[in-house]
Amino acid sequence: IAGITQAPTSQILAAGRRMTLRCTQDMRHNAMYWYRQDLGLGLRLIHYSNTAGTTGKGEVPDGYSVSRANTDDFPLTLASAVPSQTSVYFCASSDLAGVGNEQFFGPGTRLTVL
Amino acid sequence: GQNIDQPTEMTATEGAIVQINCTYQTSGFNGLFWYQQHAGEAPTFLSYNVLDGLEEKGRFSSFLSRSKGYSYLLLKELQMKDSASYLCAVMDSNYQLIWGAGTKLIIKP
Repeated sequence: IAGITQAPTSQILAAGRRMTLRCTQDMRHNAMYWYRQDLGLGLRLIHYSNTAGTTGKGEVPDGYSVSRANTDDFPLTLASAVPSQTSVYFCASSDLAGVGNEQFFGPGTRLTVL
Repeated sequence: GQNIDQPTEMTATEGAIVQINCTYQTSGFNGLFWYQQHAGEAPTFLSYNVLDGLEEKGRFSSFLSRSKGYSYLLLKELQMKDSASYLCAVMDSNYQLIWGAGTKLIIKP
């Protein structure tokens, strides 16, 4: 069982380019999340999905979009990358969205926007 | 605003005990989580507290006081592999996790 996989592992991207970060989980979890992690800051929620077919905005959604066409996949798209989007991106999932449900994290994608 | 505070860095000796504190101010409270994150890796779940008191799990224990907006993670019999960052996160009224910046724990022989 793989848990959560993310692709690519790392990427260097020119500013203005479009990029999709992929996330797939095989735990049949209902809820999925995208975070970014920057040095000196806590994980910040970008977008989330409580169940397939629904998405919501987190703390820092600007410049990012997501879709949740099925239970397993939750891609994150940067429509036109900017240098401030240089970060480590983590995808996570939980059985349900709500009290007491621990989140399981993927290995992360290191993105550099030049 | 919402705020989670934890020390930036702590140093401890192998075999000793260390306590990592976390204070929080959030809009609502639906539980507090502790995660461990080794350098270059993903966070992994350690503990969850929703009621006041101490939760013990092997060498790790976590304490919560909701009235004080305070939690701590206690690590006993420290091992070199415990060198990592420890992240405190509170689930707010919208059931979203608000994360602290993490405490980097350095273990010395």
